[in-house]
Amino acid sequence: QVQLQESGPGLVKPSGTLSLTCTVSGGSMDDYYWGWMRQFPGKGLEWIGYLRYSETLDNPSLRSRLSMSSDRSKNQFSLSLTSVTPADMAVYYCVRYARGGLYCDSWGQGILVTVSS
Amino acid sequence: IVLTQSPGTLSLSPGEGATLSCRASETVNNNFLAWYQQKPGQAPRLLIYGASTRATDTPDRFSGTGSGTDFTLTISRLEPEDYAVYYCQQYIDSLRTFGQGTKVEVK
Repeated sequence: QVQLQESGPGLVKPSGTLSLTCTVSGGSMDDYYWGWMRQFPGKGLEWIGYLRYSETLDNPSLRSRLSMSSDRSKNQFSLSLTSVTPADMAVYYCVRYARGGLYCDSWGQGILVTVSS
Repeated sequence: IVLTQSPGTLSLSPGEGATLSCRASETVNNNFLAWYQQKPGQAPRLLIYGASTRATDTPDRFSGTGSGTDFTLTISRLEPEDYAVYYCQQYIDSLRTFGQGTKVEVK
């Protein structure tokens, strides 16, 4: 059974860059879509985007600040969000999409990212 | 596509049935709608996809129905482990969106 684990700093300064990595274990990254979600303190969920090989799809509201990449040799994929503000404070989840990039069938445990000086 | 879930909170006793609603601002073609369950301190877990197909390990007391703009998640008889927050999500639009959630709590 595939497992996903987020890693990265839990504290980012305002105007800084939020960088997270997701490590996939128990399965191959091939043929699946991989992506990110976030959940705000008020519990609302927001879709960030996904990638598969060179194909990406992302939330237009984040596009100018967002970068996603993958390193299949390490079974990892990453998220970078620049110019963060306190509004970016959330629990960030890495996810796997069912074939076709439709719904998420596996989630990481999540990592809380606080934006504060 | 804006998804509106109702009610916000459902207070029910174990053994009772639960009906959760998810209404979309536009037609969700192909029934590209999923339901997720989230327990405190845990990540959401896929319950239903395609509006009515149970995911692996989803008990058959959970059922999803609906089409177009109106979708329903029904729990036939609440078990102690079913008390949680439930979210619907549409994946027909390139901008995937979630409902705000319905909390099912113990009465």
